[in-house]
Amino acid sequence: GDSVTQMEGPVTLSEEAFLTINCTYTATGYPSLFWYVQYPGEGLQLLLKATKADDKGSNKGFEATYRKETTSFHLEKGSVQVSDSAVYFCALSDPWNSGGYQKVTFGTGTKLQVIP
Amino acid sequence: GAVVSQHPSRVICKSGTSVKIECRSLDFQATTMFWYRQFPKQSLMLMATSNEGSKATYEQGVEKDKFLINHASLTLSTLTVTSAHPEDSSFYICSAFSQGVNNEQYFGPGTRLTVT
Repeated sequence: GDSVTQMEGPVTLSEEAFLTINCTYTATGYPSLFWYVQYPGEGLQLLLKATKADDKGSNKGFEATYRKETTSFHLEKGSVQVSDSAVYFCALSDPWNSGGYQKVTFGTGTKLQVIP
Repeated sequence: GAVVSQHPSRVICKSGTSVKIECRSLDFQATTMFWYRQFPKQSLMLMATSNEGSKATYEQGVEKDKFLINHASLTLSTLTVTSAHPEDSSFYICSAFSQGVNNEQYFGPGTRLTVT
């Protein structure tokens, strides 16, 4: 079945540091890929997405590129801020493998803490 | 737009009692709603998928008689945890999906259930 593997956290960075959170996936079809963010005490928010190979999703300074050859979708940001502290989830949705439903498979989440 | 609410945000109940959690799409009609469970420091586990007016589809290993899901309208789904036990304590998150709304799932803020 589908699966998503992302690097374990927590990740602690100083403000303005470069961020990379690795994510790789396994899917039988042609999935869409997502990064969700969960701020403390809140639900999930979609951060960015890519729907086909070589697409780059970007939002709020974050970006990730859909790499089919390496089955990866790593999240990057050039300069993190304290307000970026949250848990980040990599996820995929594979309609070919889920009966047409928009079922989403999540990674285990990576907690990011940015210190001033 | 595309806001999903959950009520209550936190609930504490005694072992053996039942608890109902509501999920509402506030500004769109959701053809499909999903219920997830999130364990501490773990990812989201899909419990069930529900379409308005029909029975929910439960994931393998989820007890349908324990976790009753009702999707009575296009804006409301409820999850009832029956005869709750301490091991049911968890963070429950719903999401709502409509093909006319960016083909995305929109997540509620979650409900923290504690069974004593």
